[in-house]
Amino acid sequence: SQTIHQWPATLVQPVGSPLSLECTVEGTSNPNLYWYRQAAGRGLQLLFYSVGIGQISSEVPQNLSASRPQDRQFILSSKKLLLSDSGFYLCAQGQASKAQYFGPGTRLLVL
Amino acid sequence: GQSLEQPSEVTAVEGAIVQINCTYQTSGFYGLSWYQQHDGGAPTFLSYNALDGLEETGRFSSFLSRSDSYGYLLLQELQMKDSASYFCAAFSGGYNKLIFGAGTRLAVHP
Repeated sequence: SQTIHQWPATLVQPVGSPLSLECTVEGTSNPNLYWYRQAAGRGLQLLFYSVGIGQISSEVPQNLSASRPQDRQFILSSKKLLLSDSGFYLCAQGQASKAQYFGPGTRLLVL
Repeated sequence: GQSLEQPSEVTAVEGAIVQINCTYQTSGFYGLSWYQQHDGGAPTFLSYNALDGLEETGRFSSFLSRSDSYGYLLLQELQMKDSASYFCAAFSGGYNKLIFGAGTRLAVHP
């Protein structure tokens, strides 16, 4: 079975600081990987998706970037955080079954 | 634009049946999924409908009408543990990308 790891679980960062969130996947190969952000009490917004190593597609213009240096590793980054970057960041993997499986998420608070 | 509409809140009692509706407007639609999310947790997959009709999985069923751009999630024999937020999500475009609705918060009371 597949397992998705995300860390850290919680992060408090000052405005203007850099960010790096990591997601790793076990139990599957060549997955489609996704980064979502969820504001409090809202739905999930797709930020990036990747269908393979080095292949990143951005869904919305923003202050963030993503990279996939290995098949099962997906990284979300920012050079300078904004207050509006606060939220619950979720990594997910999906394949032909149409189900997407989510990691435990990272709660980011930018102060 | 692409959007999914669902009620913001639903309240029901234990043992009852509740239906959560979802209407969608998306390009390149090819299926509707439902996810459950408990407070503080990550979403978990419940069901997927690619074709019109009803899909049943235990106490939960999901329905899709492509001609009406409409679907619903039916929860039967409600239990307290079913209190959570429920999201409909549409597959739109390639690479299994999902567009999520804003979620329906279900509160189950004794």
